[in-house]
This record gives sequence, C-alpha cells and structure tokens, in this order.
Amino acid sequence: GQQLNQSPQSMFIQEGEDVSMNCTSSSIFNTWLWYKQDPGEGPVLLIALYKAGELTSNGRLTAQFGITRKDSFLNISASIPSDVGIYFCAGQARDDKIIFGKGTRLHILP
Amino acid sequence: DTGVSQDPRHKITKRGQNVTFRCDPISEHNRLYWYRQTLGQGPEFLTYFQNEAQLEKSRLLSDRFSAERPKGSFSTLEIQRTEQGDSAMYLCASSPTPYGYTFGSGTRLTVV
Repeated sequence: GQQLNQSPQSMFIQEGEDVSMNCTSSSIFNTWLWYKQDPGEGPVLLIALYKAGELTSNGRLTAQFGITRKDSFLNISASIPSDVGIYFCAGQARDDKIIFGKGTRLHILP
Repeated sequence: DTGVSQDPRHKITKRGQNVTFRCDPISEHNRLYWYRQTLGQGPEFLTYFQNEAQLEKSRLLSDRFSAERPKGSFSTLEIQRTEQGDSAMYLCASSPTPYGYTFGSGTRLTVV
C-alpha cells in the first residue's frame, strides 16, 4: 500500500530558528497536505497543495509540492513557542482517502 | 461554525465491553471519514461515507467494528468486545469535497 516517509521524526530547536521537514512517497499523489496536531486534539490543516511544483505560504509557513509528485516539504521561519506540536504530511490520490506520515515532533528549547 | 464534534472526548472501558462513539460533521459536508491514531503514529484510515453510503472500509476495520451514518448526517462507530489493542484516538473528519478534510478533536479510548 501507499506509504509516506516523513523526516525528521523529531526536532529540537531554539526559538527564532527556521525549521524544515519533508515527506517522500513511493506513489504519486494529486494533493499534498500539511497538518499540525496539538496534544489531545485532532489535526488542523495548515497548507494544501494541489499542483506539482506549487509553492504556497501561510504566514511563516511555506510548503512545496515536488515536481515528481512524490515529495513535499514544509518550512517554518522564525519559530515561536506556539509552533510546538506534531506536524503531519499527508498525501491524497484523486478522490481517494488521505494517507498520513508518522509525523515530525517539534520541540522549542527556551 | 461549530466544526466537527465528537462525543465522548474520553472513554475508559473494560476489555470485552462494547463502546459507541458519535461524530457530528459540519452540516453541509456530505463526506465523513473515520481514522484511528495510536501513540506516536499518524492517523490511519478506517472508513468513509458519502451521505449515508459507506463507500470504503480499511482492512483495519475488523468484524468487531461497525460504522453507520443512517441519515447522512451524524455517524456512529461501534466497537464490540473491545481488546487492549483497540486503545487509540478515534478521529472523525468531514469535507464537502474529496480534498482537505476538517478533523474533530477525537475520542480517546482506553481499554483496561
């Protein structure tokens, strides 16, 4: 079945640093999505990408849909304490269910 | 905007008992999804409804699991004869289109 490889598994950074995480797949997706999950809550959609090569920003967040349609990255600039959480990449084939990666746990050191 | 509502938020049950969870999607969303998330993992797809029709079920959904969406509005997920391995967060999501679901806050199930 389809699998997503998300890296890194966890990150420890200083407040103010930039963050980069990525996701690769063995399959082609039509849509790439990035979600954030806080403890005890459901995932919240951050950015949706619908076209190969697309680069989309949402405030300090920037994500790109890879040209091969098998990868995506998410960058967070100038991290702040509320960025702490788990970030999930997710891929979706046409009209199909969303498949999630295992997440990147972001920790911000004081 | 009431979002996707799930009830209960937490459920502790003894092994062997039956449990039922409810999901109320965003009102105009005709697509409804159930996912399961275990500790340290991403959400895994369980099943999907379009209106009242259950269109896809994962192999993860054993015969002890059943989901319904009787009038195309709210949905229930029932687990019969719970096992410790069923302990997880059960997430519901809804969407008006196939893309970019909105998730609820989930029901955390603990089987003791």
